[in-house]
Amino acid sequence: GQSLEQPSEVTAVEGAIVQINCTYQTSGFYGLSWYQQHDGGAPTFLSYNALDGLEETGRFSSFLSRSDSYGYLLLQELQMKDSASYFCAAPYSGGGADGLTFGKGTHLIIQP
Amino acid sequence: KAGVTQTPRYLIKTRGQQVTLSCSPISGHRSVSWYQQTPGQGLQFLFEYFSETQRNKGNFPGRFSGRQFSNSRSEMNVSTLELGDSALYLCASTGGASSYNEQFFGPGTRLTVL
Repeated sequence: GQSLEQPSEVTAVEGAIVQINCTYQTSGFYGLSWYQQHDGGAPTFLSYNALDGLEETGRFSSFLSRSDSYGYLLLQELQMKDSASYFCAAPYSGGGADGLTFGKGTHLIIQP
Repeated sequence: KAGVTQTPRYLIKTRGQQVTLSCSPISGHRSVSWYQQTPGQGLQFLFEYFSETQRNKGNFPGRFSGRQFSNSRSEMNVSTLELGDSALYLCASTGGASSYNEQFFGPGTRLTVL
């Protein structure tokens, strides 16, 4: 099975940069995804890393290191609207079928 | 393109009853996954269907079941409801045979068990 660990809460200042870490233990690993969820909303996809390295999408970047079983989400130029929960996720049981195992989520608090 | 829709949005049931939730995926998406979200356990995978077949199942009791129809719409059923089943139930659809790199979530069904 899969197990993903991430901090429960992170606080940052508007305009700053914040990094949300995720470590994982998986019996078969096919990549790491990140999702954002605002209070009362549905999770929305942010990024996916299948290979080691950095993936950049606007203000958001995601990094993966398979050798360290570690990844992170980097948010730059923080805005108040970035206040949300962020989840790392990995395929539940490997390739060939969908379904994700999620970390418990990191609640990002942004202060003005 | 319309997003994933779920009905009903809110539901109140009593212990021992059963409930059926519905999910319509994005047009053209053939895979539908279901998740349970609670404050304590977070987002937990229930099961996944593709072309009317359950391909993947999470660690939930047999009271939780699902199915998928030929038009890719999916339903999940919970029988003999317990208080602990109170949760937000989310479904997500993906395009392609296996594309766990991006799942599109519906707004969820908020189930309250009294």
